[in-house]
Amino acid sequence: RKEVEQDPGPFNVPEGATVAFNCTYSNSASQSFFWYRQDCRKEPKLLMSVYSSGNEDGRFTAQLNRASQYISLLIRDSKLSDSATYLCVVNDLGGATNKLIFGTGTLLAVQP
Amino acid sequence: NAGVTQTPKFRILKIGQSMTLQCAQDMNHNYMYWYRQDPGMGLKLIYYSVGAGITDKGEVPNGYNVSRSTTEDFPLRLELAAPSQTSVYFCASSYSSSGNEQYFGPGTRLTVT
Repeated sequence: RKEVEQDPGPFNVPEGATVAFNCTYSNSASQSFFWYRQDCRKEPKLLMSVYSSGNEDGRFTAQLNRASQYISLLIRDSKLSDSATYLCVVNDLGGATNKLIFGTGTLLAVQP
Repeated sequence: NAGVTQTPKFRILKIGQSMTLQCAQDMNHNYMYWYRQDPGMGLKLIYYSVGAGITDKGEVPNGYNVSRSTTEDFPLRLELAAPSQTSVYFCASSYSSSGNEQYFGPGTRLTVT
């Protein structure tokens, strides 16, 4: 089983749609969870951290289900500018320091 | 602040050549990382450093070397380049361990032919 697993997509949605991405992780001891956004041929950038109680930032809502080892990202009222690859990221507690494990990403294409 | 900078942006190497990918950050971050990203794959950690003078292997260190003589700089050395090292290389930094956001440089696109 991959350490972090995501549906690669692509998700093709019209402007204004609501879209949800899911991610599962294998290490039940992971403590930190993030969603990063990566535009085509650009570097990843932090979109939001994911907290146990769930958190919202404008049109974006992140949820964490520790029992199922599952993370989700909901985007409401999609904009053309939301088109990007969304990377699910969890920390790896093995070794001398924490490291991040990146999913392969889910591609979102918002259509006009 | 420039953040994390990387040079060069692009490079084509012949098999067996060597090169150094440069990375610098001006945020006074202790932690620095080198990743590679292949098409359809997640970022894979090559090497990381928790401070000047301290480096350690990540998931895919073979064929690479690093050094960290200052807090700001974290160069990645490729010796005897191979086609399997064709990839996009990202350098990143963070203030502390993975509970904190990692800031990425713009990447270096390397082709080995």
